[in-house]
Amino acid sequence: EADIYQTPRYLVIGTGKKITLECSQTMGHDKMYWYQQDPGMELHLIHYSYGVNSTEKGDLSSESTVSRIRTEHFPLTLESARPSHTSQYLCASSESRQGVEAFFGQGTRLTVV
Amino acid sequence: AQSVTQLDSQVPVFEEAPVELRCNYSSSVSVYLFWYVQYPNQGLQLLLKYLSGSTLVESINGFEAEFNKSQTSFHLRKPSVHISDTAEYFCAVSEWGSGGYNKLIFGAGTRLAVHP
Repeated sequence: EADIYQTPRYLVIGTGKKITLECSQTMGHDKMYWYQQDPGMELHLIHYSYGVNSTEKGDLSSESTVSRIRTEHFPLTLESARPSHTSQYLCASSESRQGVEAFFGQGTRLTVV
Repeated sequence: AQSVTQLDSQVPVFEEAPVELRCNYSSSVSVYLFWYVQYPNQGLQLLLKYLSGSTLVESINGFEAEFNKSQTSFHLRKPSVHISDTAEYFCAVSEWGSGGYNKLIFGAGTRLAVHP
């Protein structure tokens, strides 16, 4: 079944640790996105990708980085986690046409202590 | 730049009552509009969308939304809600970004709480 997967679902980690949030989709979508969502707030786009070897910064500045070596895989990395990075991170993907919806993963809730 | 305003952060309602979740957007160009639903500890799921054509769009679980260009609104309605409709609802507008990507701009969300 075509879908989009994020792991881990929940992560509690200490300050200064390096972390990678995984995102994979089986729908063959060229476009992939990372959103950050704080409780009671709107989603903010932090990274997106047009396709393999393409990555761009989104609207909300983020210390995280992303890579797109394979079409189906779009991991997000924080080199040194801080409490200010505590948030929910949502990965999404879409086709390359105007007006199409994005499909979302279940999210990773990150807590940095 | 486009923006989305969801006028109510929380909407409490009794089961089987009607509900309206309000959404207004600002845009100087044609838009595509979406409603997403987020159940607790889940990702976002598409509820319905407006691309063109009929201004009234419906979902399979009884929700409907009407695109009103003059009022720049896309309010979500359901004539009779169930306990299972309790969730966070996000209105979004799609912007076709430079370089060709679908940039979804979200509202802050409305928490619908259905009480027995």
